[in-house]
Amino acid sequence: AQSVAQPEDQVNVAEGNPLTVKCTYSVSGNPYLFWYVQYPNRGLQFLLKYITGDNLVKGSYGFEAEFNKSQTSFHLKKPSALVSDSALYFCAVRGSGSARQLTFGSGTQLTVLP
Amino acid sequence: EADIYQTPRYLVIGTGKKITLECSQTMGHDKMYWYQQDPGMELHLIHYSYGVNSTEKGDLSSESTVSRIRTEHFPLTLESARPSHTSQYLCASQPPGTGVNTEAFFGQGTRLTVV
Repeated sequence: AQSVAQPEDQVNVAEGNPLTVKCTYSVSGNPYLFWYVQYPNRGLQFLLKYITGDNLVKGSYGFEAEFNKSQTSFHLKKPSALVSDSALYFCAVRGSGSARQLTFGSGTQLTVLP
Repeated sequence: EADIYQTPRYLVIGTGKKITLECSQTMGHDKMYWYQQDPGMELHLIHYSYGVNSTEKGDLSSESTVSRIRTEHFPLTLESARPSHTSQYLCASQPPGTGVNTEAFFGQGTRLTVV
C-alpha cells in the first residue's frame, strides 16, 4: 500500500525567511508526487508535481520541491515566504502500479508571521 | 481555475434527512473522486469512478453512495444523514489517460453539518 507522511502538523516561519514543508512517501514502483495547497473554506489547488527528470521541480507562486529518491522525500520549499502563503499544504503520491488513486498526507498548516 | 463545481457550498440539515451533494465538471474528465475531510485534517478517499457506470469504494468506509450516469456528473447521496456525517466533502476529477502523472482538479468543497 502506498502512503505519505507529513511529520509536522504546523510550521511557523517569519515573512521573508525560507520555508520548508516536509514530506516522505512509500510506494511500489516509480513515485508520482504532488503538492497541493488549501486556503480556508476552499478546495485544493495544485502547486507542482514530480514525474521524472530533474529532482528540483518548480511550481506555482514561487514554490519548488526537491525529490530525493534515496530518502524517499519530496520536501516543499520557497526561498522567501509571504504572509499570503499561510495555508494548509498537502503532499500526495500515486504509484505506477495498480493503485491509481492519489494518497494524501495528513497536511501541514503553514503560518507565515509578519 | 478548474471547471469543477460542487453544490451546495454549505449545508445544515437535520438527522435522518436524505441529501445529495452535487459535483459536475465540464472538462470531459473520465476519472472522478470524492474525498472526506474533517477541518484541518487529512483527506480520505471515499468513492471513485473511472468512467460512466463505474464506481468503487475508497479507502475510508462511508455510508454514502455515488452514481455515474453521465461523464460530467458524480453525485454523492446520504440516505439518512447523521451527526457523524458532519464533515467537508471534496470532489475531484482527472483527465483521460493512464492518469498516474496527471494532477487532479478539486472543487471548492461542500461543508456538511448534520444537527
